Amino acid sequence: DGGITQSPKYLFRKEGQNVTLSCEQNLNHDAMYWYRQDPGQGLRLIYYSQIVNDFQKGDIAEGYSVSREKKESFPLTVTSAQKNPTAFYLCASSLRGNLEKLFFGSGTQLSVL
Amino acid sequence: AQSVSQHNHHVILSEAASLELGCNYSYGGTVNLFWYVQYPGQHLQLLLKYFSGDPLVKGIKGFEAEFIKSKFSFNLRKPSVQWSDTAEYFCAVTPRYSSASKIIFGSGTRLSIRP
Repeated sequence: DGGITQSPKYLFRKEGQNVTLSCEQNLNHDAMYWYRQDPGQGLRLIYYSQIVNDFQKGDIAEGYSVSREKKESFPLTVTSAQKNPTAFYLCASSLRGNLEKLFFGSGTQLSVL
Repeated sequence: AQSVSQHNHHVILSEAASLELGCNYSYGGTVNLFWYVQYPGQHLQLLLKYFSGDPLVKGIKGFEAEFIKSKFSFNLRKPSVQWSDTAEYFCAVTPRYSSASKIIFGSGTRLSIRP
């Protein structure tokens, strides 16, 4: 089945540690996105990428980094600079950059130890 | 900058009641509009979308939404809700002719249906 796979489902971060969240899709989609979901704040865009080797900052990119070396993969690194990393992280992709329809992964819950 | 407002954070209804969830956006140009739904324990999924044409669009599970350009609104409606409609609903917008290609979501409305 085609879809988006996010791993791990749960992740714990220690103080000062960088952690990387995985997002893989086999939908042959060009565009991929990372959102952060906090209660009462909905989904906020962290980073997005329209093509391989290119990505753009979203509204809350500080403390995060991404790479897009392959079309299928868009990993998100939560760095130690992100002071409030506890949240639910959602990866999404779309067939074309004009966002006719987003497909979402099942999410990763990140918590700080 | 574009933004989306959903003023109802939590709505509680009884089964068979009518539903209307508000969504307003701010953007000066032409937009595409979406409603996404997240059922408990499931992925976010598209409920309906508006690109052009008839401003009243119909989605899955009996939902519909009306685009009112003069009010910058895209409210979601359902005449008679069911317990299975319990979910979180997100309105979203993207500029139609922008190269930025990003979609902005509202803060979401949690809908609880009493059986």
